[in-house]
Amino acid sequence: NAGVMQNPRHLVRRRGQEARLRCSPMKGHSHVYWYRQLPEEGLKFMVYLQKENIIDESGMPKERFSAEFPKEGPSILRIQQVVRGDSAAYFCASSPRGVTEAFFGQGTRLTVV
Amino acid sequence: AQSVTQLGSHVSVSEGALVLLRCNYSSSVPPYLFWYVQYPNQGLQLLLKYTSAATLVKGINGFEAEFKKSETSFHLTKPSAHMSDAAEYFCAVSERSQGNMLTFGGGTRLMVKP
Repeated sequence: NAGVMQNPRHLVRRRGQEARLRCSPMKGHSHVYWYRQLPEEGLKFMVYLQKENIIDESGMPKERFSAEFPKEGPSILRIQQVVRGDSAAYFCASSPRGVTEAFFGQGTRLTVV
Repeated sequence: AQSVTQLGSHVSVSEGALVLLRCNYSSSVPPYLFWYVQYPNQGLQLLLKYTSAATLVKGINGFEAEFKKSETSFHLTKPSAHMSDAAEYFCAVSERSQGNMLTFGGGTRLMVKP
């Protein structure tokens, strides 16, 4: 059973471009969580999704950020019109229903130049 | 609202010495508590978790943590440090109704001297 897969591992975008980060949860996991880690800081919760539903997006910036977890395919975190402050590591975690343990991917490191 | 405070952003110990990483939390409801380890440029790996069973929790790699409700603490310990323990350690809390929506502390970087 492969772990949580995130791609790309590294992403460079110019200011104003769009960034699309993908997360394939572990097989059988229907819950996905996105976290952001700014340099020298801990992880901050962004959004919690189940298949085709956003359960909690209280940590998402109000503008430019969106997330989805379609019925088929990976979860996508989309950042429009990126700015330098978006440079960070973005981690995805997944869990099966009813299990209090999240399995983390290796992250996508976004650099905005 | 929950919060997690990890005292000491950097901790240095000698190989073979006791490791003690401190974590204090605040939560208005009974919490779930976690310790994760992160190696450079890697994701997070769960070391151990407290979900209301025994207050002394044993995890992987010889680590353990004790939940002390009166002190709102969940400190991580290991009797004897190994060079391979050098990494960043994160304490996290969630409310029972929130499952895996975690609030993380700022992290503690553990350095192990030969």
